[in-house]
Amino acid sequence: GENVGLHLPTLSVQEGDNSIINCAYSNSASDYFIWYKQESGKGPQFIIDIRSNMDKRQGQRVTVLLNKTVKHLSLQIAATQPGDSAVYFCAEPKSDNYGQNFVFGPGTRLSVLP
Amino acid sequence: EAGVAQSPRYKIIEKRQSVAFWCNPISGHATLYWYQQILGQGPKLLIQFQNNGVVDDSQLPKDRFSAERLKGVDSTLKIQPAKLEDSAVYLCASSLVGFKNEQFFGPGTRLTVL
Repeated sequence: GENVGLHLPTLSVQEGDNSIINCAYSNSASDYFIWYKQESGKGPQFIIDIRSNMDKRQGQRVTVLLNKTVKHLSLQIAATQPGDSAVYFCAEPKSDNYGQNFVFGPGTRLSVLP
Repeated sequence: EAGVAQSPRYKIIEKRQSVAFWCNPISGHATLYWYQQILGQGPKLLIQFQNNGVVDDSQLPKDRFSAERLKGVDSTLKIQPAKLEDSAVYLCASSLVGFKNEQFFGPGTRLTVL
């Protein structure tokens, strides 16, 4: 079955530093990945996605890197701000024959220290 | 644009009681998802609808959970009877047709079963 997991369940960074959140996936056939941010008391919010034909994709202050050789994703947040404090999830498509939807990893909690 | 609406936001019940959650997706979104998010874990898909048809309910505990989307818009998720392990946040999300379209999540309903 799918195994979308994270190396670090919690991450604390100083405000202004860069953050790196990691994610391992097990399905080598996955062709699309998403990162979500979930703030306390809210539903997950889309941050950025990447297709498997890319190694890197940049957004505003965020970069996602994909290493298909080792089945690893990372989310980099530049100049981390207090508003970045949240739980971050990576997600990949389900690999079964049911409907088209996603499997979420367990998440990493990012705490930004003043 | 109005987001995904869910109600109630919080619900406390005793085990063996019944409970229902309501979701109103973003206007025009044909695909609707219900997720269960246990504390400290990523969201787990319970059921996916496209219009009023079920696309994937492979992870829905059908002996106690049911969901419907009769007119292809609003949806309700019901638990009957509830167990202690059903304590979780129940998230509703919607998207345009095509699973790689962004899913927009509601704020969730936090259920506590005593």
